[in-house]
Amino acid sequence: EAQVTQNPRYLITVTGKKLTVTCSQNMNHEYMSWYRQDPGLGLRQIYYSMNVEATDKGDVPEGYKVSRKEKRNFPLILESPSPNQTSLYFCASSPAGTQNGELFFGEGSRLTVL
Amino acid sequence: GENVEQHPSTLSVQEGDSAVIKCTYSDSASNYFPWYKQELGKGPQLIIDIRSNVGEKKDQRIAVTLNKTAKHFSLHITETQPEDSAVYFCAATYSSASKIIFGSGTRLSIRP
Repeated sequence: EAQVTQNPRYLITVTGKKLTVTCSQNMNHEYMSWYRQDPGLGLRQIYYSMNVEATDKGDVPEGYKVSRKEKRNFPLILESPSPNQTSLYFCASSPAGTQNGELFFGEGSRLTVL
Repeated sequence: GENVEQHPSTLSVQEGDSAVIKCTYSDSASNYFPWYKQELGKGPQLIIDIRSNVGEKKDQRIAVTLNKTAKHFSLHITETQPEDSAVYFCAATYSSASKIIFGSGTRLSIRP
């Protein structure tokens, strides 16, 4: 089944404790991206990647890192999480960028930073 | 900067009636406008999209209209059904980058 898989789905952590949210897609998509969803703010793009070893900042990259060492994986790294990073996070992929059709989203990762 | 405004934030309609959600974008370079539906506990899913060289597009009960001059685009759902209850997001993308800007979302409720 074609899908985008995120882990963990739920996580409670404390300020400053490094964490990684993994994202994997099995559709051989070139483009992958991360978003955070907050009430009243919709979905905001954190980082995106057009291909392996090619990443770029979205609208809200502060406090986050990403890497794209393999085509199928695009982990989101929070080096020193803070409470304002409490949010619902989504990973998405598409065949080639945002211009050419559907973004396929994962089911989301709800992160709470205490 | 680039921005997409979406209204209303909540919408309640009687089953069988129509629902309209409106969005405005700021950058005239935007050329692709998708709409996503997010059901409870799920990720968003594309339901319809429109490109800047087209004024209207329909898919069964769903239609999207685009006014490039006014930088407005709208989602129209006719003959609403209970399964239409969800959060809907509009978005705008840009040819110069692989960025996408989403609106703030509309929570649509269908009353039986």
